[in-house]
Amino acid sequence: DADVTQTPRNRITKTGKRIMLECSQTKGHDRMYWYRQDPGLGLQLIYYSFDVKDINKGEISDGYSVSRQAQAKFSLSLESAIPNQTALYFCATSDSTLSGRETQYFGPGTRLLVL
Amino acid sequence: DQQVKQNSPSLSVQEGRISILNCDYTNSMFDYFLWYKKYPAEGPTFLISISSIKDKNEDGRFTVFLNKSAKHLSLHIVPSQPGDSAVYFCAASYTGANNLFFGTGTRLTVIP
Repeated sequence: DADVTQTPRNRITKTGKRIMLECSQTKGHDRMYWYRQDPGLGLQLIYYSFDVKDINKGEISDGYSVSRQAQAKFSLSLESAIPNQTALYFCATSDSTLSGRETQYFGPGTRLLVL
Repeated sequence: DQQVKQNSPSLSVQEGRISILNCDYTNSMFDYFLWYKKYPAEGPTFLISISSIKDKNEDGRFTVFLNKSAKHLSLHIVPSQPGDSAVYFCAASYTGANNLFFGTGTRLTVIP
């Protein structure tokens, strides 16, 4: 079984709709992240959470919100989807370290198309 | 502003030869570097990392070299195999950072 799972794997929605992408992990990690990847670009951080009560904005948080329901679950919501949010979305987890030398482990991704 | 850059979007190499993927960075605070490999329809998977106190780290066929003065790192794959065909992302971080900073990726194709 995969350590980091994402649902759905693919989603087509219409402009203005609210959608939620979900992420679950069995690695027991404290930290969870949401990234998006656009063609020809690297991964850009949307939101991150270092524990259940800690939520932080990343580089491109506008138009998104998140919820950390439990240590193992971190969901990403698009309140009112727009076409330029069409992208590949990845969830990642990592263990907290004092050194900052952490390795992030990624889910398989959700391909989102906003019409 | 892209702090981690992979200037070659693609690379083709014959099976058995060496693949060299390059990465440059601009932030002198970066002290930890990673390479991820990504197959289609999968998430990136961790490949190898290096701390700034080293200039080389080796793991089987994969070696990462770090040149701090040039702010440059490279990933060497020897020998290259068709299964190595994937997109490779360079990433960097620094002590106290909250996330990894990713390059745009290089698509490696290993030709049998």
